[in-house]
Amino acid sequence: NAGVTQTPKFQVLKTGQSMTLQCAQDMNHEYMSWYRQDPGMGLRLIHYSVGAGITDQGEVPNGYNVSRSTTEDFPLRLLSAAPSQTSVYFCASSVFQGPLYGYTFGSGTRLTVV
Amino acid sequence: KNEVEQSPQNLTAQEGEFITINCSYSVGISALHWLQQHPGGGIVSLFMLSSGKKKHGRLIATINIQEKHSSLHITASHPRDSAVYICAGYGGSQGNLIFGKGTKLSVKP
Repeated sequence: NAGVTQTPKFQVLKTGQSMTLQCAQDMNHEYMSWYRQDPGMGLRLIHYSVGAGITDQGEVPNGYNVSRSTTEDFPLRLLSAAPSQTSVYFCASSVFQGPLYGYTFGSGTRLTVV
Repeated sequence: KNEVEQSPQNLTAQEGEFITINCSYSVGISALHWLQQHPGGGIVSLFMLSSGKKKHGRLIATINIQEKHSSLHITASHPRDSAVYICAGYGGSQGNLIFGKGTKLSVKP
């Protein structure tokens, strides 16, 4: 099925561990982005990419790293997990970066850091 | 600072009622997106608009550019409409979506 695939759906990490959240899309979308969703707050942009080889920081990039080696994949790396990174993470893609291009969201990854 | 504010935060309605969710945004926002987040967590795009009005089934989205205000209306609400509705503005220096905190809608049978 066409769309955005996120893995894993759930993850528990210990403080200091590293891990990679995977995001893949098969719609040939140029724009991909990562968000975190915390209780009482709107989704906040972590990192985004407007095409292969191009990434940029969003509102809350600290503690996260990304790369975009292919159009399809946009992994998010937690370098040294902290309890403050406990959140639900969403990946989204769009044909291009622009005001009236629709977004397709992945199903989310619920991450708990203990 | 680019901001998007939604109201109400929570909304309970009886089946069949007409529902309105409001979204106000700041200067620098050039388009509004309305999204629906299901109880299971998935997020679906409903509308994108920069002017006027759009309709899809029982859902209607309007935007008033001069007043920097958008509304999402649901006619003849149904329990399956129960979800969190999120308004997001496109803009800012980097050209990304800026999200409101969401409106949690519960429609009772």
